[in-house]
Amino acid sequence: SQQGEEDPQALSIQEGENATMNCSYKTSINNLQWYRQNSGRGLVHLILIRSNEREKHSGRLRVTLDTSKKSSSLLITASRAADTASYFCATGSNFGNEKLTFGTGTRLTIIP
Amino acid sequence: ETGVTQSPTHLIKTRGQQVTLRCSSQSGHNTVSWYQQALGQGPQFIFQYYREEENGRGNFPPRFSGLQFPNYSSELNVNALELDDSALYLCASSLTGNYGYTFGSGTRLTVV
Repeated sequence: SQQGEEDPQALSIQEGENATMNCSYKTSINNLQWYRQNSGRGLVHLILIRSNEREKHSGRLRVTLDTSKKSSSLLITASRAADTASYFCATGSNFGNEKLTFGTGTRLTIIP
Repeated sequence: ETGVTQSPTHLIKTRGQQVTLRCSSQSGHNTVSWYQQALGQGPQFIFQYYREEENGRGNFPPRFSGLQFPNYSSELNVNALELDDSALYLCASSLTGNYGYTFGSGTRLTVV
């Protein structure tokens, strides 16, 4: 079963604009991670935020986490054509080795 | 540092047959997890192997089984294939205590 739901399911923006994706989840978590997937191939780990953190940055990425609302958002600033991909949030229940429970994904298209 | 390698890339099997998928984990990683991703869905956790033992299993029937070898590579075996087993199968490796997962590019299995 899927833990979370990403919103929107699909997003199209012009190159250079910012893209925001949201993720909601159902159960208590230890951490939340965001992954990118190009053309149905392998997943690339983007960023991890722990349950005791509220915001994290990595390059053009900004992730927020609100555990009271069981939600997270991923902001990609100054989007590029290469950012076109599907983005998934995944929740982990334990530090270290654990199963990841993925959401349904947001399909992001950057229009040149 | 090599990434995660999966083989084969694509595979077509007939319903009722058996299939073995292979995964070479990233150098230095001792844990391997397998995920099934149906078209348009997020990946779903099948199981994880650590030190050659199963270390957690998702909601998959016993006909899904696995192995981890001393060099940390892994196999996923699926018996009595069903049409619904058609999916992208992803392998991810990690190092104990480190929650960064490296995914392979996946094996696309089609059951006809």
